[in-house]
Amino acid sequence: NAGVTQTPKFQVLKTGQSMTLQCAQDMNHNSMYWYRQDPGMGLRLIYYSASEGTTDKGEVPNGYNVSRLNKREFSLRLESAAPSQTSVYFCASSPTDQETQYFGPGTRLLVL
Amino acid sequence: GDSVTQMEGPVTLSEEAFLTINCTYTATGYPSLFWYVQYPGEGLQLLLKATKADDKGSNKGFEATYRKETTSFHLEKGSVQVSDSAVYFCAPRSGGSYIPTFGRGTSLIVHP
Repeated sequence: NAGVTQTPKFQVLKTGQSMTLQCAQDMNHNSMYWYRQDPGMGLRLIYYSASEGTTDKGEVPNGYNVSRLNKREFSLRLESAAPSQTSVYFCASSPTDQETQYFGPGTRLLVL
Repeated sequence: GDSVTQMEGPVTLSEEAFLTINCTYTATGYPSLFWYVQYPGEGLQLLLKATKADDKGSNKGFEATYRKETTSFHLEKGSVQVSDSAVYFCAPRSGGSYIPTFGRGTSLIVHP
């Protein structure tokens, strides 16, 4: 099992460009999450999906949209990137929303 | 909402030294408590957890005891190794929520 995979690993964008971060899990988990990690800030939840077909906002959703494409995949979209969105983005999944989360390796995003 | 305070890092130790990383939290209800570890260039992974008062979580020589009276969940290891160099995150999860709140992380550097 690959666990949680994320693409791309690294991306540079110019202000105003758009992009989609991809996340997939092969553990048959119901719940999936997107976090951002910034120096000195820990992890902050952007969006989550408790189960296929549902999505909810987390602590810092502004500037982002998500799609739970199917049970395996949960994508994060930046419609118009801003320098403040420079960060490391982590996707995670869990069997249900009550259980331990498993994290992907992260996507490092730089917005110029 | 929930909050968590971790000691500031980096914590720098020599191999075989004793480690303590302090964590205190505020949370509603009866939270579950987690420690996650992030090795360089990787995503977070669960290190240990405790789900009720006085429980002790343990893994890889690390231990933490759920202290309800002091709302603390300090991480300890008797003899650290160079391979323990990583960032450690304390994360309470309230009984009424299924999303953990992550602390800012404490960087541990172990020298040979």
